[in-house]
Amino acid sequence: EDKVVQSPLSLVVHEGDTVTLNCSYEVTNFRSLLWYKQEKKAPTFLFMLTSSGIEKKSGRLSSILDKKELFSILNITATQTGDSAVYLCVGNYGGSQGNLIFGKGTKLSVKP
Amino acid sequence: SQTIHQWPATLVQPVGSPLSLECTVEGTSNPNLYWYRQAAGRGLQLLFYSVGIGQISSEVPQNLSASRPQDRQFILSSKKLLLSDSGFYLCAWGMSSSGEQYFGPGTRLTVT
Repeated sequence: EDKVVQSPLSLVVHEGDTVTLNCSYEVTNFRSLLWYKQEKKAPTFLFMLTSSGIEKKSGRLSSILDKKELFSILNITATQTGDSAVYLCVGNYGGSQGNLIFGKGTKLSVKP
Repeated sequence: SQTIHQWPATLVQPVGSPLSLECTVEGTSNPNLYWYRQAAGRGLQLLFYSVGIGQISSEVPQNLSASRPQDRQFILSSKKLLLSDSGFYLCAWGMSSSGEQYFGPGTRLTVT
């Protein structure tokens, strides 16, 4: 059965800390791995990773994929209170319909 | 630019009542459209997806149905709601050439 497992499930840090969120996956016909940030409502897209070892970066956020070991990490440096959210790791198992399988998320709380 | 709308934002309905949630997308043609549900403490679960007008695929057997009467309109319905239908319903769109999906603001449904 396809699955995406994230760890930790929740994390509390202080502003300025660096955090690493983990994601392991078992996805048949794997096409890509995506990261989303979900605050109070809809998830917003962060990254899509398709190749191993190539870091995607956006400001203080970065992510990398290891297709051999079937995992990805999301790093956030110099965290701010606005980074508080649930971060979702998502496997794309391909097909013309582009279906996704979601992890349960890591809830990050950044304290001032 | 593309925009996705969902309504209503919140809904409280009694058990046994009907349901109709609507989603529309602007700024793109022939998108793939998706309905997800996020129950408390659980990941997003894909309910339905559509690759074109009148084409609906169901991922899980349930009390719900979906329809796509127009290219950029996706409707989620139920004839009789159950308590277990409570949750956060998200509509999303994506293009088959990539794995990214973009989410609407969501509808929080409470069945009482």
